[in-house]
Amino acid sequence: AQSVTQPDIHITVSEGASLELRCNYSYGATPYLFWYVQSPGQGLQLLLKYFSGDTLVQGIKGFEAEFKRSQSSFNLRKPSVHWSDAAEYFCAVSSNTGKLIFGQGTTLQVKP
Amino acid sequence: NAGVTQTPKFQVLKTGQSMTLQCAQDMNHEYMSWYRQDPGMGLRLIHYSVGAGITDQGEVPNGYNVSRSTTEDFPLRLLSAAPSQTSVYFCASGLAGAMGTGELFFGEGSRLTVL
Repeated sequence: AQSVTQPDIHITVSEGASLELRCNYSYGATPYLFWYVQSPGQGLQLLLKYFSGDTLVQGIKGFEAEFKRSQSSFNLRKPSVHWSDAAEYFCAVSSNTGKLIFGQGTTLQVKP
Repeated sequence: NAGVTQTPKFQVLKTGQSMTLQCAQDMNHEYMSWYRQDPGMGLRLIHYSVGAGITDQGEVPNGYNVSRSTTEDFPLRLLSAAPSQTSVYFCASGLAGAMGTGELFFGEGSRLTVL
C-alpha cells in the first residue's frame, strides 16, 4: 500500500538558518510527489510538485525539493528561513488510484 | 476570487445529531473531495467526486454521506454524529486530472466538535 512518512513531527530553526524537512514514501511505480503548507487556521497551499524529469524542483516562497528514487525520499529545503515560514508542512503522494495520500505533517517553529 | 468556500467554519453538535458541511467552488473543477485532519494523522480522504453525479469512497467513509448534483457543490453529511467525528474538515477541488496529479485547492476548513 502507498504511504508517506514524515519522521519529524516538530522542528525548530532559527530565523535565517537553513531548513530541511524529511519525507519518505512507499509507492510501487513512479510517484507524483507534493509538498503542501498549512498556515495556522488556513487550508493547505501547494508549495511544489514532482511528476517527472529534473529531480530538483523549485516551488513558491523560495522552497525546493529533491526527489531521490534510491532513497524513496522527497525532502523539502529552504536556504534561509523567515519567521513567516512557521507553519505545518505536509508531504503527499498520488496513489495508483489517483487519490492524494498525506503524511502526518511536520510543524515548523521559527525562533527569532 | 472565492476559490473553495466551506461553511460553517465552526460547529458544535451533540451525539446523534445530523448536519451538513457545505463546500462550493467557483473554478469549474471537476474533482472535489473531503478530508478530515486529526492531530498526528495528517489528512485522510473521506469521499471524493470526479464530476456531477459521481462519488466514491476514500480511506475513512464510514459515518459520512456525499452527493454531487452540480459541478460547484459537494456537501458532506453526518447523519448521526459521534464524538469520533470531532475533527477539522477540509474540502478540496482540482482539475479533471487532479486525481492523478494531486494539485488541489483547499478551503479554509470547518472545525466540528461532537459532544
